[in-house]
Order: sequence, then C-alpha cells, then structure tokens
Amino acid sequence: DAGITQSPRHKVTETGTPVTLRCHQTENHRYMYWYRQDPGHGLRLIHYSYGVKDTDKGEVSDGYSVSRSKTEDFLLTLESATSSQTSVYFCAISDPGQGQSGYTFGSGTRLTVV
Amino acid sequence: QQQVKQSPQSLIVQKGGISIINCAYENTAFDYFPWYQQFPGKGPALLIAIRPDVSEKKEGRFTISFNKSAKQFSLHIMDSQPGDSATYFCAASMLNNNDMRFGAGTRLTVKP
Repeated sequence: DAGITQSPRHKVTETGTPVTLRCHQTENHRYMYWYRQDPGHGLRLIHYSYGVKDTDKGEVSDGYSVSRSKTEDFLLTLESATSSQTSVYFCAISDPGQGQSGYTFGSGTRLTVV
Repeated sequence: QQQVKQSPQSLIVQKGGISIINCAYENTAFDYFPWYQQFPGKGPALLIAIRPDVSEKKEGRFTISFNKSAKQFSLHIMDSQPGDSATYFCAASMLNNNDMRFGAGTRLTVKP
C-alpha cells in the first residue's frame, strides 16, 4: 500500500518473548493506529497516536505498548507474547485535519505465537 | 461491546446480481460511516463513505443507503462481478476519527 509500510510481514515467536512490529509512513499524516484482525471480530483498535509522543489506548490494549518518536514511525510492542495474541496486525494512518478522514491501511503483519 | 453490527457474515451472489450488506450502530455521536474492501493478503481499502446529512451516496456500482432514525446503513453493489469477491467491513466513527469501530466483516463471493 502506497505510503505505509509494515514490517515484518510474517513472524513466528515463542510464548513469553517480546515482539516489536513497525509501521512506517511517508504521507506525513498526524494519526497512526494499530489494529488486530481476528475472525468474527473484524478490526479492533489496540492503540493510536495523534502526534509524536502522543498516544492513547484502544479497546484491546492489554499486553501491548506503543511508541512514536518520529512522525513517520509507530511501533507496537508485545511485552510478553501469548498465544491469544496470534493475529494479523494492521497499521493505519489518517489526517482528518487535511480532509483525510478515511484510513489508509498497511498490508499487515501475520504474527504467530507458539 | 460491539458498537457496529454487520450482517450477513457471508454472502454468495451470482454475477450481475445485487449484493446487499447491512450494518447497525449504537452510538448516535457517530457521524462518519465508511465501507472498506479487503482482498486476501491485503489491508482494507476505503471503498466509499457517507456522513449522516445525506440518505444515499453513489459511486459507480457502489451505493450506501443511510437511515439515521433506525441507526442503520447498508452497502449495495449493483451488477456484482467476480472481481468484487472480497471481505467488506462497515465502520463508524466521530469526526475526530480517533476510535473507528468496525463491523465483523462480510465475505462476499460472486459466482461467474
């Protein structure tokens, strides 16, 4: 997806290990989001950021932390991965102040916790 | 608590038919209602969106119908094509966009 890149695309990790997923944007959008996608649940917001060093929790934030030290990068960390965190993670960006109310999503990271 | 309820979970339509996906929301403060289309292995992509000051919005073969009093909105795909086969998500948010709530998704299959 143009302007937003997620890495890695796939990752397998062991229970109890920390994991960091990266989202990078080149659109200079103010807002960045992390969602997880699970069958039957759609997309659920984990954390979001409304500026550098400004972040807030979403509806499923337990076990996750985020950081945004630059406008273009938003990191999601699973502090101690559990099997329930096996999911597909999507980063999204938006900038309603510039008329970009809709989200642009990255291609996702498929995370498997074994 | 799911603030946006979407139905059906899956839908099979013949080529040339009309696909209809329905959503209902609870929070009357929502004022932005987008639909996203997702192909396997890809992220969702914005398809069409509506604000509650209009009852219908049409873009090509895709139409959103919006019923503010019933707190419902739907996506209609006219002349459905096999290339429309994808998962569709409805969503709702407030104008500041901080917490967009998504429906559970509808997997559409259009048979040739």
